[in-house]
Amino acid sequence: QVQLVQSGAELKKPGASVKVSCKASGYTFTSNALSWVRQAPGQGLEWMGWIIAHDGDTNYAQKFQGRVTMTTDTSTSTAYMELRSLRSDDTAVYYCARHSGNYYFDFWGQGTLVTVSS
Amino acid sequence: QSALTQPASVSGSPGQSITISCTGTSSDVGGYNYVSWYQQHPGKGPKLIIYDVSNRPSGVSNRFSGSKSGNTASLTISGLQAEDEADYYCNSYTSSSTYVFGTGTKVTVL
Repeated sequence: QVQLVQSGAELKKPGASVKVSCKASGYTFTSNALSWVRQAPGQGLEWMGWIIAHDGDTNYAQKFQGRVTMTTDTSTSTAYMELRSLRSDDTAVYYCARHSGNYYFDFWGQGTLVTVSS
Repeated sequence: QSALTQPASVSGSPGQSITISCTGTSSDVGGYNYVSWYQQHPGKGPKLIIYDVSNRPSGVSNRFSGSKSGNTASLTISGLQAEDEADYYCNSYTSSSTYVFGTGTKVTVL
């Protein structure tokens, strides 16, 4: 069965960087793209960007361009999302989500809480 | 890219039908049949319930249905049940090869 298992919660200071991992299993990792989505406390879902697992091609939401980097390691079937210059309003649960063969997200990770606080 | 517009809340009694709207532009909802809907219960991750405007994944109740007219997509929940109380988000592919979520709708079962 398809599973996306994310890394654990992080506490970061303003200005720092965070790197969240998403380890995939139960399917051929290079066959699908992955998106990262975040949700601030009590707020809605916000799409951050996608990465094509097999070649590393990316497309980021304009809001995060210059501050986010998404990568994959095909040898370990793991995707990563690094967000830099963290601010308090980056406090959120970050999800990875697998793209189906088409234009929707069929499996999601369990989420990683990133807290930014001095 | 602005979020798609959804009503903040919708409520209904058990057994009733409710409809949640999702309004975008011709660059997203209106331009593609790639609207999906996600259900999120408190403290849980999102779950896909509708894809490509009106298709249900295996295992999702047929009480959930989707449609689209112009720049507005809709999710209808028929025969409302207590377990349907959750937040619902629409999502669309866009002309920039990106994705955008709706603002989210809280469904309350009275």
